[in-house]
Amino acid sequence: DAKTTQPPSMDCAEGRAANLPCNHSTISGNEYVYWYRQIHSQGPQYIIHGLKNNETNEMASLIITEDRKSSTLILPHATLRDTAVYYCIVRVLMNYGGSQGNLIFGKGTKLSVKP
Amino acid sequence: NAGVTQTPKFQVLKTGQSMTLQCAQDMNHEYMSWYRQDPGMGLRLIHYSVGAGITDQGEVPNGYNVSRSTTEDFPLRLLSAAPSQTSVYFCASSYSTGEQFFGPGTRLTVL
Repeated sequence: DAKTTQPPSMDCAEGRAANLPCNHSTISGNEYVYWYRQIHSQGPQYIIHGLKNNETNEMASLIITEDRKSSTLILPHATLRDTAVYYCIVRVLMNYGGSQGNLIFGKGTKLSVKP
Repeated sequence: NAGVTQTPKFQVLKTGQSMTLQCAQDMNHEYMSWYRQDPGMGLRLIHYSVGAGITDQGEVPNGYNVSRSTTEDFPLRLLSAAPSQTSVYFCASSYSTGEQFFGPGTRLTVL
């Protein structure tokens, strides 16, 4: 089972920031928080990941709480092309030797960006 | 780089037929995996491989076989197709420590 809890859907106005929450209260010390998104039946696309510090890249920012039990993905200026299902996943970094590094997808949050 | 490629894009099978879904990557990634996605659902892991010659089962392996004879290729075989295997299949690859790259998917219908 997925180790994360996300709201099933959210709306955001075009040009505004989209803040997508994720709860992962049972996260282990060696597990990272990953975010992927899936735009209408395409293959999932990696967005960002982090361990405990806030992270930023050209797509988004990831804010992880100090106790690491929750996080927020921020799309600073959402566009219509950001309409997608967003998945929050926790996993260890290394895959060798076992299944711990596999991505286990939940149902994600369907983000609808509206004009 | 072509990234992760999957063939065919679409396939219709009759119950009991067998087929192989092809997946290839040109990024020299050690890790490759297969997922299926049913309508309104997240992706479920079928099989994965951490390197050539090494494969293991994921969440939903029944009815599927895999092999990994080369780093580049990771085919998924349906032994005897059933309507319950109607789904969209995604292949993914990554370095052991990195982000996973997904292919465009194969849409399979079993009648």
